[in-house]
Amino acid sequence: DGGITQSPKYLFRKEGQNVTLSCEQNLNHDAMYWYRQDPGQGLRLIYYSQIVNDFQKGDIAEGYSVSREKKESFPLTVTSAQKNPTAFYLCASSLTGGDGNSPLHFGNGTRLTVT
Amino acid sequence: KNQVEQSPQSLIILEGKNCTLQCNYTVSPFSNLRWYKQDTGRGPVSLTIMTFSENTKSNGRYTATLDADTKQSSLHITASQLSDSASYICVVSALSGGADGLTFGKGTHLIIQP
Repeated sequence: DGGITQSPKYLFRKEGQNVTLSCEQNLNHDAMYWYRQDPGQGLRLIYYSQIVNDFQKGDIAEGYSVSREKKESFPLTVTSAQKNPTAFYLCASSLTGGDGNSPLHFGNGTRLTVT
Repeated sequence: KNQVEQSPQSLIILEGKNCTLQCNYTVSPFSNLRWYKQDTGRGPVSLTIMTFSENTKSNGRYTATLDADTKQSSLHITASQLSDSASYICVVSALSGGADGLTFGKGTHLIIQP
């Protein structure tokens, strides 16, 4: 079955620690994205990548970092510089680069809690 | 600034009843509009896409409409089922935008009661 796998589903960390969220896709999609979802808010774009070894900042990139060394993988690191990291994180991919003509395929998210 | 407003914020209806969710947008220049369904604790799934020239599109019991003149879209759910309980998110794409050209609404939280 083709799809996007995010792991872990739940993640707990102490304040001041960096944490890496995994995202893997086997859809052979070129573009991958990270969004953050908070209660009562729309999804906000953190980072996106349209091709291997290249990525761009989204609206709320501060305190986050990514890499795209392989087409299938787009891990997100939440650093200690992110002031309010507790949230639901969604990874997505699309066949082409995010112009809306290709639907976004989402993983089932990672809920990160930082205390 | 591009914006997408959805209403109502939440809605409770009885199983078997119909309902309509609204999406108003100010995204320009407009490319397309998608409705996504997000079950609790899961990622959103695309239900339908509307382009500028389309007025109505159906996907089973879901029917989306688009009025590009008034910049409004609706999602009508017919004969609701318990499995329709979810958040429904309207996403509008700007013609000139890339990945950062997508504007997300906050969603309508729909609860179907037996």
